[in-house]
Amino acid sequence: GENVEQHPSTLSVQEGDSAVIKCTYSDSASNYFPWYKQELGKGPQLIIDIRSNVGEKKDQRIAVTLNKTAKHFSLHITETQPEDSAVYFCAASASKIIFGSGTRLSIRP
Amino acid sequence: GAGVSQSPSNKVTEKGKDVELRCDPISGHTALYWYRQSLGQGLEFLIYFQGNSAPDKSGLPSDRFSAERTGGSVSTLTIQRTQQEDSAVYLCASSPNLAGRETQYFGPGTRLLVL
Repeated sequence: GENVEQHPSTLSVQEGDSAVIKCTYSDSASNYFPWYKQELGKGPQLIIDIRSNVGEKKDQRIAVTLNKTAKHFSLHITETQPEDSAVYFCAASASKIIFGSGTRLSIRP
Repeated sequence: GAGVSQSPSNKVTEKGKDVELRCDPISGHTALYWYRQSLGQGLEFLIYFQGNSAPDKSGLPSDRFSAERTGGSVSTLTIQRTQQEDSAVYLCASSPNLAGRETQYFGPGTRLLVL
């Protein structure tokens, strides 16, 4: 069945450095790829998304890249700040949305 | 405007009791989802309501779990004869469009603890 794999499961970076989270998907019909951020005690919130007709999208310090041929997409956070510490989920959607297993990002001061 | 709301925010129950969890989606959203999130884990899909179509119940872990959506709006997730392994955060999300191809808006979740 459809599957989304997400790596790494945990990531610790120095404040100010960049963080990269990678996901691969199995359903080639997937055409919508959102990223969610979940802070402690809260529900996931959409931070950025990309559709299959573009290869890259950027919003301030956050960017997402998509390689449809390889069926993988990545989240890039630059100039990380303490408030970026959270769990991040990728997802891929064709007929229904499939979530990755999450990445716990910690920013070291 | 108001986001997705869930109640109660926390629920402690004894093993064997039934519980009902409520979700109020964003007004006008046609799709509604329930997920379960165990401590430190990812999102486990439970059930999906899409407009007036029959729900996708493929994620429900056992027949103790059921859900309904009345009038295309509010949804209730019911867990009968709760077990300790049912302890988790139950998240509801709604989406403005069909077929799950649009952004999902999540509620804050209900934290269920079964003693």
